[in-house]
Amino acid sequence: DAKTTQPPSMDCAEGRAANLPCNHSTISGNEYVYWYRQIHSQGPQYIIHGLKNNETNEMASLIITEDRKSSTLILPHATLRDTAVYYCIVRVANAGGTSYGKLTFGQGTILTVHP
Amino acid sequence: GAGVSQSPSNKVTEKGKDVELRCDPISGHTALYWYRQSLGQGLEFLIYFQGNSAPDKSGLPSDRFSAERTGGSVSTLTIQRTQQEDSAVYLCASSLASGQGTYEQYFGPGTRLTVT
Repeated sequence: DAKTTQPPSMDCAEGRAANLPCNHSTISGNEYVYWYRQIHSQGPQYIIHGLKNNETNEMASLIITEDRKSSTLILPHATLRDTAVYYCIVRVANAGGTSYGKLTFGQGTILTVHP
Repeated sequence: GAGVSQSPSNKVTEKGKDVELRCDPISGHTALYWYRQSLGQGLEFLIYFQGNSAPDKSGLPSDRFSAERTGGSVSTLTIQRTQQEDSAVYLCASSLASGQGTYEQYFGPGTRLTVT
């Protein structure tokens, strides 16, 4: 799986949008971009994933550049409960478009949301 | 519905003892994963079970580590002759994994293992 690069830490004011960047310049055409987060003392939580198109769900939006070499996770209205480590992960899609198997976690970005 | 559960939540053991950690995946999930997270370290993949296929053991750090999954459901991770460097939070995750689709993993709360 391709390697990802994320800033080690970021701050965000409560109520503002949090934009978390991820670089995955060696991504292959059959690799998805996944985002997970880990709140202190809990197991990781799935947020969102995408292949080429931008994606949005109830938690966040994922913006993937046209060349797919980078992406941005957007939390539109950050709250104190969004303080966590955010992991950007690239994961291969198997034949037929399925995607499962191990996740390779990097160091992630520590997002601190402050009042 | 019920999520992934793990037991015990905390385990303190003496160096050299064997330990067993249990994971109950979400009902119907055919894939089960074990990871560990050492203090100040990222999450490290250990082993992956998918249906009746041979497990992917590529992440097990030594032959002291083994895992089994009985009946395609509950899994046990066993660490023999524990060492202090085995101290970590051991996380279990499960997912669907059949047919086409992209399957997110659901993680349990983890077992914190401390080897003294």
